[in-house]
Amino acid sequence: NAGVTQTPKFRVLKTGQSMTLLCAQDMNHEYMYWYRQDPGMGLRLIHYSVGEGTTAKGEVPDGYNVSRLKKQNFLLGLESAAPSQTSVYFCASTRTSGGTMGLYEQYFGPGTRLTVT
Amino acid sequence: GESVGLHLPTLSVQEGDNSIINCAYSNSASDYFIWYKQESGKGPQFIIDIRSNMDKRQGQRVTVLLNKTVKHLSLQIAATQPGDSAVYFCAEINAGGTSYGKLTFGQGTILTVHP
Repeated sequence: NAGVTQTPKFRVLKTGQSMTLLCAQDMNHEYMYWYRQDPGMGLRLIHYSVGEGTTAKGEVPDGYNVSRLKKQNFLLGLESAAPSQTSVYFCASTRTSGGTMGLYEQYFGPGTRLTVT
Repeated sequence: GESVGLHLPTLSVQEGDNSIINCAYSNSASDYFIWYKQESGKGPQFIIDIRSNMDKRQGQRVTVLLNKTVKHLSLQIAATQPGDSAVYFCAEINAGGTSYGKLTFGQGTILTVHP
C-alpha cells in the first residue's frame, strides 16, 4: 500500500496562473479532504468529499475548486493563483467507520509546497 | 467560531524525561479528539484518539487525558526520545450529525528532545 500520495511535491506559480494538485489513495477510503497549512498554524480544511462524485466546502474554500471523479482520486484546482494561496497543501483520507485505531483516523499525504509569486 | 488551541507553543525536554503537551478546546459539543505528530517536511501522523465518554486512554508510550469539565486535553509521552521531536497537534470532531470526519486543528506545540 502506498497510502496517500500527492503530486507534485513542489510548485512555483505566478499570480493568475492555474494548476491542479492530485491526491490518490489506495486504501478504498470513502472520505477525502484537502487542507492547507500556513506557518505557525494548524491545518485548515478547504474542501472535502464523502464519496465519488460528491464534494463540499470546508472552512476556507474561496479560490479553490475540487473534483472526485474516481473514488481513489481527489483533485484540488486553483483557477487564478494569488500570493495568499502560498502554503503547504495536504490531502487526507479516512474510513467512514470502524478500524482498529479509531473511527476518524485520517491518513495524510506528504504535502505539496506551493509558492505564488 | 469554535476553536481548539494550545497553552504552550514550545516544549524542550531531555531524553528519557516524560513530556506533557496540553490543549484547550472550546466546542463543548466535540465528542472525539485526536493527537497528531508532524515531523518536518511530512504530513501529520495519527498518534492516539479518545472519545468524550472516556477520560484516559493509553497507547505505546503515550497517554491521552481528557477533562471535559475544563475542556482540556493532554498528551503524555513517556521516556521521550529524540525521534519524538516534532510538532504535535490536537484536533477535535463533533462526530454526531453530518460532521463527515471534519477535523478542527489547534495551532501545534513544538517538542524538542535533547540527547
